[in-house]
Amino acid sequence: EPEVTQTPSHQVTQMGQEVILRCVPISNHLYFYWYRQILGQKVEFLVSFYNNEISEKSEIFDDQFSVERPDGSNFTLKIRSTKLEDSAMYFCASKTTGQGALNTEAFFGQGTRLTVV
Amino acid sequence: AQKVTQAQTEISVVEKEDVTLDCVYETRDTTYYLFWYKQPPSGELVFLIRRNSFDEQNEISGRYSWNFQKSTSSFNFTITASQVVDSAVYFCALSVNTGFQKLVFGTGTRLLVSP
Repeated sequence: EPEVTQTPSHQVTQMGQEVILRCVPISNHLYFYWYRQILGQKVEFLVSFYNNEISEKSEIFDDQFSVERPDGSNFTLKIRSTKLEDSAMYFCASKTTGQGALNTEAFFGQGTRLTVV
Repeated sequence: AQKVTQAQTEISVVEKEDVTLDCVYETRDTTYYLFWYKQPPSGELVFLIRRNSFDEQNEISGRYSWNFQKSTSSFNFTITASQVVDSAVYFCALSVNTGFQKLVFGTGTRLLVSP
């Protein structure tokens, strides 16, 4: 069964360092997302990506964040200068288009736990 | 703006008990979709069900059933004869059919099923 794959599963980084979280969405999917879950809290939307550009972003997704689909299969989230409060689980998700409309279920990767020290 | 409320923070039951997880949503859109996801202790998010706003039929899948009521803006989830493997955090989520269908999640309900 196709699945969304995220690497690494866990990353520890020093405050101020740049990190890149990687995702391989399901191959025929067209919509890509990053979500964040601070430990013990709810899952929050960060950004959506379609047709090689950001389609929507939340207030959380400020200038230190960027996304890229560099090679048609990978989908990356870069955090330029990490802060302690960036420590969270980051989920990548992808979805295809539904019949006549756009809403189908998003499939999530297993997440990358980012710890900023 | 959309909002999802899961008022139950944590529920503890004994195996074989039935349990209902509540979800109340808010949206001004007339077309919207509701979802339930399961997050087991391993941390991944597992899709359980999607329901659109035009379909109020209840759904049953094995021990799982869902009750969608537009009149009360609720989309409740019942597990019949709970099992230890059902222990997880369950998230209700909403998306609308504009923009790019981001999911708005509730705060989740932690279900603990003890033997």
